[in-house]
Amino acid sequence: AQSVTQPDIHITVSEGASLELRCNYSYGATPYLFWYVQSPGQGLQLLLKYFSGDTLVQGIKGFEAEFKRSQSSFNLRKPSVHWSDAAEYFCAVRLTGNQFYFGTGTSLTVIP
Amino acid sequence: DAGITQSPRHKVTETGTPVTLRCHQTENHRYMYWYRQDPGHGLRLIHYSYGVKDTDKGEVSDGYSVSRSKTEDFLLTLESATSSQTSVYFCATLEGFQETQYFGPGTRLLVL
Repeated sequence: AQSVTQPDIHITVSEGASLELRCNYSYGATPYLFWYVQSPGQGLQLLLKYFSGDTLVQGIKGFEAEFKRSQSSFNLRKPSVHWSDAAEYFCAVRLTGNQFYFGTGTSLTVIP
Repeated sequence: DAGITQSPRHKVTETGTPVTLRCHQTENHRYMYWYRQDPGHGLRLIHYSYGVKDTDKGEVSDGYSVSRSKTEDFLLTLESATSSQTSVYFCATLEGFQETQYFGPGTRLLVL
């Protein structure tokens, strides 16, 4: 069965520190992978996506993610976190038939 | 911003009453989706539509029905609301060329 796992429910980092949010997927074919961010009370906003090609993809707000087929992972990274990055982050995979499957999310707290 | 609006934004209802949530888009996107978001579960697909009058079930479709009579509108109906349907409901559309989902602001539903 297809699935997306975000093993970290909650992460706390200091402002200015680096960040890595983990995402593992289980899918038979080459996946289309996405990271979304959700600020409190808001809808989801796309940060970045991977379809094919270069396995390191750049997104908005200084985020990047690396696709590693051997590890079935698509981890999100940011070199220096800002207080405004505090939010919930979701990894997602697009299945056949244009259905999307989301992970359970990682809540990020940024401390001054 | 893909011009997605949801109405109502907030609703309180009683168990056993019917409820209809509306999603409206202005981008002429073919695919539309209804998700529910619950703590610890992330986003789960309820139903989706791949064209006018063309819909299919997602992973949590029991107790929900949908209709799409126009490209721009996708309705989600709870025929007889239950407390387990208390949730935040998100509508999304799929922009075909960029293969990207865009999300509405959400509807917060409380079933008493």
